[in-house]
Amino acid sequence: AQSVTQLGSHVSVSEGALVLLRCNYSSSVPPYLFWYVQYPNQGLQLLLKYTTGATLVKGINGFEAEFKKSETSFHLTKPSAHMSDAAEYFCAVSSYGGATNKLIFGTGTLLAVQP
Amino acid sequence: NAGVTQTPKFRVLKTGQSMTLLCAQDMNHEYMYWYRQDPGMGLRLIHYSVGEGTTAKGEVPDGYNVSRLKKQNFLLGLESAAPSQTSVYFCASTPAQGDNSPLHFGNGTRLTVT
Repeated sequence: AQSVTQLGSHVSVSEGALVLLRCNYSSSVPPYLFWYVQYPNQGLQLLLKYTTGATLVKGINGFEAEFKKSETSFHLTKPSAHMSDAAEYFCAVSSYGGATNKLIFGTGTLLAVQP
Repeated sequence: NAGVTQTPKFRVLKTGQSMTLLCAQDMNHEYMYWYRQDPGMGLRLIHYSVGEGTTAKGEVPDGYNVSRLKKQNFLLGLESAAPSQTSVYFCASTPAQGDNSPLHFGNGTRLTVT
């Protein structure tokens, strides 16, 4: 069985500060990992994904995440927060070779950016 | 391109009433999904479809039915609404099976059951 744990349901940073959103996963097979972002009153949209290959993945809006197998982690970072980054972020996992219907979402982290 | 469109955007139902949520996508995607989003619980898969005429149960299917009579439409039905079904419902689609395919989401339907 697969699962995702997002540490911290709410994270607050100052504009210009480092953003770090934590995600740990559990999977008995090689995982595919995703980060989605949800802006108010909108659906989720893909930020970035890891499937195979390079473990440091770059996404949209300056975000990146690093797959660390030894730590079963896929933390999301951005060097300098912008007010427009305020949103809810979801980590998700699925299995290698599996179907998207097996995508398991974390419970989300709400990011607030203070001026 | 409209992408994934959900109607209605908001709805209030009384316990026991029925309703249908409509999802339409114009991207010719094969796979479509219905999720519900509840505070502190992330997104949970209700039902999904891998192609026209097919449906399958997800993680939380009880109390819901679905139909995919046309490739571009995926309907979610509540036959007898319950307060526990108060939630935000999201439809999503992907081109085909495979974990490289990102989900394309609609903007959601906010349902309140009183």
